[in-house]
Amino acid sequence: IAGITQAPTSQILAAGRRMTLRCTQDMRHNAMYWYRQDLGLGLRLIHYSNTAGTTGKGEVPDGYSVSRANTDDFPLTLASAVPSQTSVYFCATSRDFDTEAFFGQGTRLTVV
Amino acid sequence: EDQVTQSPEALRLQEGESSSLNCSYTVSGLRGLFWYRQDPGKGPEFLFTLYSAGEEKEKERLKATLTKKESFLHITAPKPEDSATYLCAVQTAGGTSYGKLTFGQGTILTVHP
Repeated sequence: IAGITQAPTSQILAAGRRMTLRCTQDMRHNAMYWYRQDLGLGLRLIHYSNTAGTTGKGEVPDGYSVSRANTDDFPLTLASAVPSQTSVYFCATSRDFDTEAFFGQGTRLTVV
Repeated sequence: EDQVTQSPEALRLQEGESSSLNCSYTVSGLRGLFWYRQDPGKGPEFLFTLYSAGEEKEKERLKATLTKKESFLHITAPKPEDSATYLCAVQTAGGTSYGKLTFGQGTILTVHP
């Protein structure tokens, strides 16, 4: 079934550790995004990529980095996790940057 | 700054009781307004895109409409399986080179049998 795969589905991480959240799509969409969802704050964009080889910063990029080596993969790295990065992370894709986005199932991350 | 406000925060309906959810927005130039459904523990599921005032889209018991300042999601004769959080998001036309969506806080809909 075509779609977006995120891994892991959940993770408990010690503060200060490095962590990479994985996102893979088989929809051949050009654009990919990482959002975080927090109670009371809604969904906020962390980083985006309009096409393979390019990335950009969203609303809340600090503490996160991304890469887009190919069309299908868009990993999100937390270089040194802090408790405020406890959240649910969603990867999303869209055919182009101005079309509707489709979301993965999310990764629930707890930083302790 | 783009703002999206959804109301009510929570809505409880009896099965078959029709109602509407509201999404008010303030943006510099609307490129598109999106409705999503989110079930607990899942990612948002795309429902509709609306681009211009007067536009309407329908899917089963749901109908989305758009004016210059707000959008409504009408739910006709809802069923318990329509229970979910409904999210509204706007995408602006100018000043952004990416598909940034500004989301509202969502309306939690509960439909009782």
